[in-house]
Amino acid sequence: NAGVTQTPKFQVLKTGQSMTLQCAQDMNHEYMSWYRQDPGMGLRLIHYSVGAGITDQGEVPNGYNVSRSTTEDFPLRLLSAAPSQTSVYFCASSYGYSGNYGYTFGSGTRLTVV
Amino acid sequence: KNEVEQSPQNLTAQEGEFITINCSYSVGISALHWLQQHPGGGIVSLFMLSSGKKKHGRLIATINIQEKHSSLHITASHPRDSAVYICAVRFTLETSGSRLTFGEGTQLTVNP
Repeated sequence: NAGVTQTPKFQVLKTGQSMTLQCAQDMNHEYMSWYRQDPGMGLRLIHYSVGAGITDQGEVPNGYNVSRSTTEDFPLRLLSAAPSQTSVYFCASSYGYSGNYGYTFGSGTRLTVV
Repeated sequence: KNEVEQSPQNLTAQEGEFITINCSYSVGISALHWLQQHPGGGIVSLFMLSSGKKKHGRLIATINIQEKHSSLHITASHPRDSAVYICAVRFTLETSGSRLTFGEGTQLTVNP
C-alpha cells in the first residue's frame, strides 16, 4: 500500500508563477484535505473534500484552488504564488469525514516562493 | 474560540525517562488525535481517542472528557522517540466537514 503520495517534495517558485501540488491515495478514503504548516503555528486547513466532486474551503483558502474529479486524487493549485505561501504543505486522507477515523498524511512538500 | 493548547512546548529528557505531554481544549469534542512528526518532516497518526485510554507499545494516550484534557505518555523513552508530538481535535460543533484543530506541537528531545 502506497498510502498517500504527495509530489513534489521540494519546489522553488518565483512570485507570480503557478503550480500544482499533487496528492493521491490508494485507500479508497472519502475524506482528503490540504494543510499548511508554518513555524510557531499548528497545521492549518486550506481546502478539503468529503468525496469525488465535493470540495470546500478550510481556514486559509485564499490563493489556492482544488478539485476532486476522482476518489484517489486531490490536487492543490497555487494560482499566482506569493512569498506568503512559502510553507510546508501536507495532504491527508481519512476513511470518513466525522473526524473519528485515523488520518494518513503524505510526506509533505516544502515550497519556497522567491 | 475553539482552541487546543499543548504543554510543554519543548521537552528534553534522558533516555529511559517517563515522559508526559499534555493537551487541553476549550469546548466539547468528538475525537482527539495524537500525531508524531519526525525531523524528516513526515507526520504519522499515533492514536485516535474519543474516551478512555489506548496503548501501543511504549506509548499510552488517555483522555478525560469532563476535564477537556488528554495526555500522551512515553515509557522508557529512547532517542528515536525524539520528534514533534501534535494534538488535534474535532470539535463537536464543527460543521465544516472533518476539520481538525491542531495544537502547536511539543518538541521532544531524548538524549542518550
